[in-house]
Amino acid sequence: KAGVTQTPRYLIKTRGQQVTLSCSPISGHRSVSWYQQTPGQGLQFLFEYFSETQRNKGNFPGRFSGRQFSNSRSEMNVSTLELGDSALYLCASSLEGGVGDEQYFGPGTRLTVT
Amino acid sequence: AQSVAQPEDQVNVAEGNPLTVKCTYSVSGNPYLFWYVQYPNRGLQFLLKYITGDNLVKGSYGFEAEFNKSQTSFHLKKPSALVSDSALYFCAVRDSHTGGFKTIFGAGTRLFVKA
Repeated sequence: KAGVTQTPRYLIKTRGQQVTLSCSPISGHRSVSWYQQTPGQGLQFLFEYFSETQRNKGNFPGRFSGRQFSNSRSEMNVSTLELGDSALYLCASSLEGGVGDEQYFGPGTRLTVT
Repeated sequence: AQSVAQPEDQVNVAEGNPLTVKCTYSVSGNPYLFWYVQYPNRGLQFLLKYITGDNLVKGSYGFEAEFNKSQTSFHLKKPSALVSDSALYFCAVRDSHTGGFKTIFGAGTRLFVKA
């Protein structure tokens, strides 16, 4: 079974621009979560999607948004980029997003904002 | 709210020696605890989880973890460390949230295994 894939792997953007990141979950997985990883803040939960619905959202500003398609693929969008948005963005999928479900992570998208 | 703490930023161990990476948790209700490992320039990989049952949980790559309810700990262990075990290890807990669950990660512990 193919793992979680994320595209692109690397991005360089300028402040004020917007960016869209893509994630394809493991086949059969319906829950997709997004995390931001930075050296200072560690791993922080952004949001979770299940059956095309946002089920959970972390404490991030409205500039961060996402969506999920009927095939469970997910995208996240960051508008009006700030320098502090530079981070590794990780996507994770699980079967149902249940409390006991382990998550399977993609390799991440490294976003650099200049 | 649920939380996990990893008291050590870094653990150094010699190859062949046993290793322990510490984690303590704070939860309301039943704990659902996980360990993940991150190798350089890669995403996280699931190692093992505790949901219920035996306090000693076995996982991937020879790792195991001991759940201790009285000490609210979930330490990761391996009897004999390998150089290839050098990586960043995260303890995590699942937290209920409106409509579902989210994973809360500890700050991570960097493990160095010296040949």
